[in-house]
Amino acid sequence: DGGITQSPKYLFRKEGQNVTLSCEQNLNHDAMYWYRQDPGQGLRLIYYSQIVNDFQKGDIAEGYSVSREKKESFPLTVTSAQKNPTAFYLCASSRTTGFPEAFFGQGTRLTVV
Amino acid sequence: DAKTTQPTSMDCAEGRAANLPCNHSTISGNEYVYWYRQIHSQGPQYIIHGLKNNETNEMASLIITEDRKSSTLILPHATLRDTAVYYCIVRVGFNSGGYQKVTFGIGTKLQVIP
Repeated sequence: DGGITQSPKYLFRKEGQNVTLSCEQNLNHDAMYWYRQDPGQGLRLIYYSQIVNDFQKGDIAEGYSVSREKKESFPLTVTSAQKNPTAFYLCASSRTTGFPEAFFGQGTRLTVV
Repeated sequence: DAKTTQPTSMDCAEGRAANLPCNHSTISGNEYVYWYRQIHSQGPQYIIHGLKNNETNEMASLIITEDRKSSTLILPHATLRDTAVYYCIVRVGFNSGGYQKVTFGIGTKLQVIP
């Protein structure tokens, strides 16, 4: 089945460590996105990418980094510079033609202790 | 993308129609209205979208006012599984160029009551 996969579902890290969240899609979508969600809040855009080897900062990119070396993969690194990294992270993908409804993964809940 | 305004929360009795409003008074001519929902601790799920005509699919109906400044998502027979946060967003369609960034607000928390 086609879809978008995030792993792991739960992740625990010590403060000061970098951590990389995985996002893989087999929908042949060009565009991919990373969002952060805090309790009771909407989704805030971290980074997005429309094509391989190109990505743009979203609204809250500070303390995060991404890469897009392959069309199907868009990993997110939460660096030690991110002041409050504990959150629910969601990855999404969409076409860039036609009507681009976004497909979301099931999310990774990151807890930094 | 245009700003949207939704009520923070709503209740609906099971089996009744759930009508979720959304205001998008600054919507421009090339912007579509999209609805997603997010069940607790899951990723959002696409529901429906429209430009100016009413739309219906197997999940819901979308009613857009003639001036396109507001819309209503209708779940015709709400079930307990429809309890979720519903997001209304507007975004440009294609042929507009540039990145197709998708931004979500806080949405409406719909509670379906037995």
